[in-house]
Amino acid sequence: GNSVTQMEGPVTLSEEAFLTINCTYTATGYPSLFWYVQYPGEGLQLLLKATKADDKGSNKGFEATYRKETTSFHLEKGSVQVSDSAVYFCAPYSGGGADGLTFGKGTHLIIQP
Amino acid sequence: EAGVVQSPRYKIIEKKQPVAFWCNPISGHNTLYWYRQNLGQGPELLIRYENEEAVDDSQLPKDRFSAERLKGVDSTLKIQPAELGDSAVYLCASSFPTPPYNEQFFGPGTRLTVL
Repeated sequence: GNSVTQMEGPVTLSEEAFLTINCTYTATGYPSLFWYVQYPGEGLQLLLKATKADDKGSNKGFEATYRKETTSFHLEKGSVQVSDSAVYFCAPYSGGGADGLTFGKGTHLIIQP
Repeated sequence: EAGVVQSPRYKIIEKKQPVAFWCNPISGHNTLYWYRQNLGQGPELLIRYENEEAVDDSQLPKDRFSAERLKGVDSTLKIQPAELGDSAVYLCASSFPTPPYNEQFFGPGTRLTVL
């Protein structure tokens, strides 16, 4: 089955700092890749996605590039805001038998003003 | 457009009691998922429905957990009897069955505390 390794949290940054959250995965076949975000007290929301190698997903200033050769999908943002404080989950999806998303443990991001 | 609706949002019960969670997916979404999220962990799939059929329930602890989606719309997840280790957030998600994207939309979850 699929698996995900994410940076251990919490990650604490100052406002306007540059953000990188590393994600590497193992997956069957040729997966689609997702980043979900979970704000305090809320359900998961899709942040961005990429469906083939070298695709770049982007949303709300966040970006991640599908790197097939390194099986990575690192999340980046050039200037974080306090409102970006949340837990971020990387998730590959291969379809087929076990057809749910495979989530990592999540990375808790704390942005200080 | 209304999102995925779950109820209740919070539930506190004593061990050995039964509990049920309800989910109403986004209108038109054929596929429905139940996930369990333990504290500090990512969600783990329990069961997936395509319309009213459970097509993947390999991770569902069938001795105490059951689920149904009788008319292919809303769904109920039940635990009987609950154990201390069942304390978690139970998430429902739905999607169109359109690989490879499979963009899933999540509800706010039900936080279960078993005392």
